[in-house]
Amino acid sequence: AQSVAQPEDQVNVAEGNPLTVKCTYSVSGNPYLFWYVQYPNRGLQFLLKYITGDNLVKGSYGFEAEFNKSQTSFHLKKPSALVSDSALYFCAVRGENSGGYQKVTFGIGTKLQVIP
Amino acid sequence: DAGVTQSPTHLIKTRGQQVTLRCSPKSGHDTVSWYQQALGQGPQFIFQYYEEEERQRGNFPDRFSGHQFPNYSSELNVNALLLGDSALYLCASSLDTGTNAYNEQFFGPGTRLTVL
Repeated sequence: AQSVAQPEDQVNVAEGNPLTVKCTYSVSGNPYLFWYVQYPNRGLQFLLKYITGDNLVKGSYGFEAEFNKSQTSFHLKKPSALVSDSALYFCAVRGENSGGYQKVTFGIGTKLQVIP
Repeated sequence: DAGVTQSPTHLIKTRGQQVTLRCSPKSGHDTVSWYQQALGQGPQFIFQYYEEEERQRGNFPDRFSGHQFPNYSSELNVNALLLGDSALYLCASSLDTGTNAYNEQFFGPGTRLTVL
C-alpha cells in the first residue's frame, strides 16, 4: 500500500525567510509526487509535480520541491516566504501505472504560517 | 474557462437520509475523482469515474456510490447517512488517457456535508 507522511502539523516561518515543508512517501515502483495547497474553505490547488527527470521541480508561486529517491522524500521549498503563502499544504503520491489506475494518496497536511 | 464546479456548497442532513452531490469537470477533462476530507485530515480517495464507469475505489462502504454522465459530469450518492459522514466532499477532474495518466488533478471548492 502507498502512503505519505507529513511529519509537521504546522510550520512557522518569518516573512522573507526560506521555508521547507517536509514529505516522505512509500510506494511500489516509481513514484509520481504532487504538492497541493488549500486555502480556507477552498478546494485544493495544484502547485507542482515530479514524474521523472530533474530532481528539482519548479512550480507555481515560486515554490519548488526536491525529489530524493534514496530518502524517499519530496520536500517543498521556497526561498523567501510571503504572508500570502499561509495555507494548508498537502503532499500526494501516485504509484506507477502498471495497466490499472493507481489512486492518489494524500498526506494529512501541514499548516504553514508566515509571520509578518 | 470554468474550472471544476460542485453543488451544493453546503448541505445539512439527518442520520439515515440520503444525499446526492454533483460535480462538473473542467472543460476538456474526462475523468472525475471524489474525495472525502474530514476536519483536520487530508483528502481520502472514494472512487474515480472514467468513460461512465467506476475505475477504482478506495476503502469506502457500498453506501457510497456514484455515476458519470456522457458529458463527463458526475454525482456522488451516499445512503443511510451516519454522523461520521460529515465532511468536505471534493471533486477533482483530470485528463487521464494513455501517456497522460500522470496529469495533475483540478479540484472543485467542495460540498460541506453536515449530518445531524
